[in-house]
Amino acid sequence: GQSLEQPSEVTAVEGAIVQINCTYQTSGFYGLSWYQQHDGGAPTFLSYNALDGLEETGRFSSFLSRSDSYGYLLLQELQMKDSASYFCAFVMMGGNTPLVFGKGTRLSVIA
Amino acid sequence: DVKVTQSSRYLVKRTGEKVFLECVQDMDHENMFWYRQDPGLGLRLIYFSYDVKMKEKGDIPEGYSVSREKKERFSLILESASTNQTSMYLCASSLRPGVEKTQYFGPGTRLLVL
Repeated sequence: GQSLEQPSEVTAVEGAIVQINCTYQTSGFYGLSWYQQHDGGAPTFLSYNALDGLEETGRFSSFLSRSDSYGYLLLQELQMKDSASYFCAFVMMGGNTPLVFGKGTRLSVIA
Repeated sequence: DVKVTQSSRYLVKRTGEKVFLECVQDMDHENMFWYRQDPGLGLRLIYFSYDVKMKEKGDIPEGYSVSREKKERFSLILESASTNQTSMYLCASSLRPGVEKTQYFGPGTRLLVL
């Protein structure tokens, strides 16, 4: 079968760094994506890793290790507006296969 | 900018009614998706379509059907709404896999079935 595991909730202090982990199990893995969703809003794309290593986009970075079936999203210099749900999703190989989403991590940034 | 629009933000229907949720994208995307989102369960795929008149079942297709008569439009149909279909429904679109992996989501329709 296929599955994604990520923590359900994380709390961090404004200005700090937080890491949201995602482990996955599947065959035919192609890459790992991250999406952000604010309350009442639509999920929006944050990053995508097809290769092992770190991808950096401003305050956000995403990491993938294929050998460990593991990835994480790193948020630096946390701001109150970063309070949201974060979903990891894996992309399958081949054809028109849709993303498979994890259940999401609710990040609360506190002062 | 890619734009995915959904016909309603909020909808209230009665048990047994036939419900149509419409989704339109303006970027000529091949793929379109319907998800439902419930607290603690994440995004669960109902149906998707990778071309006009093509459809594929997702993880939870029971009680739903879809229609894609035009490339830009993907409709989700609840044949006979039930209270357990009260949920947030999200539509998404993407280019054909292999070109781009990003899915673009609409604002969602919050459906309440009484």
